[in-house]
Amino acid sequence: AQKITQTQPGMFVQEKEAVTLDCTYDTSDQSYGLFWYKQPSSGEMIFLIYQGSYDEQNATEGRYSLNFQKARKSANLVISASQLGDSAMYFCAMIRPDKLIFGTGTRLQVFP
Amino acid sequence: DAMVIQNPRYQVTQFGKPVTLSCSQTLNHNVMYWYQQKSSQAPKLLFHYYDKDFNNEADTPDNFQSRRPNTSFCFLDIRSPGLGDAAMYLCATSRGLYTDTQYFGPGTRLTVL
Repeated sequence: AQKITQTQPGMFVQEKEAVTLDCTYDTSDQSYGLFWYKQPSSGEMIFLIYQGSYDEQNATEGRYSLNFQKARKSANLVISASQLGDSAMYFCAMIRPDKLIFGTGTRLQVFP
Repeated sequence: DAMVIQNPRYQVTQFGKPVTLSCSQTLNHNVMYWYQQKSSQAPKLLFHYYDKDFNNEADTPDNFQSRRPNTSFCFLDIRSPGLGDAAMYLCATSRGLYTDTQYFGPGTRLTVL
């Protein structure tokens, strides 16, 4: 069965520093997609970045990049130059076949 | 801006009193989803519509129903809310299934008294 594991319940990072949020996944499928979402305290799930299993390049979106290591089944999110507004819950998710399977999330707190 | 809208943002209901949550989208997406998210947990899919084709998750209680009268709107009906149904309810849309990105609305936080 498909499963997403996020082992860091909470992370702290100083403003302007980079931070890596870990995500490992388990699937026997060859074709799958991996997502990262940000959920601020307001509750809205905000799409950040997507990586397809056949994509050869790591996905990047502005300050967000995804460190995709297919053989290790990991899809870590890297946030560069952290900002105070990055404080939120972050969920890693996998789509297969027609629904998102979420990890338990990592709460990131950015301090000045 | 194209978006996913949920109304109301906060809903209070009484134990056993039916409640309806609303979701609308201007993205013209084919698929609409309803998720339930309890405190400090990941979202859990309740069901989704692909156009008019309804797909219920096997473990979604019968107490939860959904309607999609047209492409833009989708409703979540909770027929007899229990205290355990207090949660954030998230609506999402995607153009298609499989690897298409799901875009979420702001959610409705439901309180059951």
